[in-house]
Amino acid sequence: EAGVTQFPSHSVIEKGQTVTLRCDPISGHDNLYWYRRVMGKEIKFLLHFVKESKQDESGMPNNRFLAERTGGTYSTLKVQPAELEDSGVYFCASSQEGWRRNYEQYFGPGTRLTVT
Amino acid sequence: DQQVKQNSPSLSVQEGRISILNCDYTNSMFDYFLWYKKYPAEGPTFLISISSIKDKNEDGRFTVFLNKSAKHLSLHIVPSQPGDSAVYFCAATLVKNTDKLIFGTGTRLQVFP
Repeated sequence: EAGVTQFPSHSVIEKGQTVTLRCDPISGHDNLYWYRRVMGKEIKFLLHFVKESKQDESGMPNNRFLAERTGGTYSTLKVQPAELEDSGVYFCASSQEGWRRNYEQYFGPGTRLTVT
Repeated sequence: DQQVKQNSPSLSVQEGRISILNCDYTNSMFDYFLWYKKYPAEGPTFLISISSIKDKNEDGRFTVFLNKSAKHLSLHIVPSQPGDSAVYFCAATLVKNTDKLIFGTGTRLQVFP
């Protein structure tokens, strides 16, 4: 079974440009999450999808960030326009409905975003 | 305001010895705690978890202890192996209300021969 995949693995863009990150969850997982880790700090929650609906977007930093999950499969996270403080590693995670039986979220390898 | 804290950024342990990683939290409402392990260039992988109604959970070489009165949990690895060298993240959540995991800053464990 394929794990959570993320594309690209690394992106370097200039301040003011737009970047779109993609996440493909584990097949059959209705729950999809985005997290971000800024250098040396904690991994912070951004938002949670259940299928195509946003369940919780309390962690989204501002309106420059837009997440979508059309059709309830893969998700994209767009940053427009990018700022220097957006640099970090963006992780996607997924879990199946009923995940609270073991409370495990499966993480992808992350996308390292560098804004210069 | 950081609700989950890992005050030791790094820990070095000899192979075969016990590794003890610590985590403190401030929100007494947290009802579930998890430990994740992360290798370079990979995402965090789930290691072990514990409900707030328990004070200990064991899985092979890994044991998590929870002290609710002190708002403290620890992960014990016995015996430590070189393959355990990684960054360990403590996380907490309120399972009744949210799926959101709140992470600490991580502790880098190095196990040397």
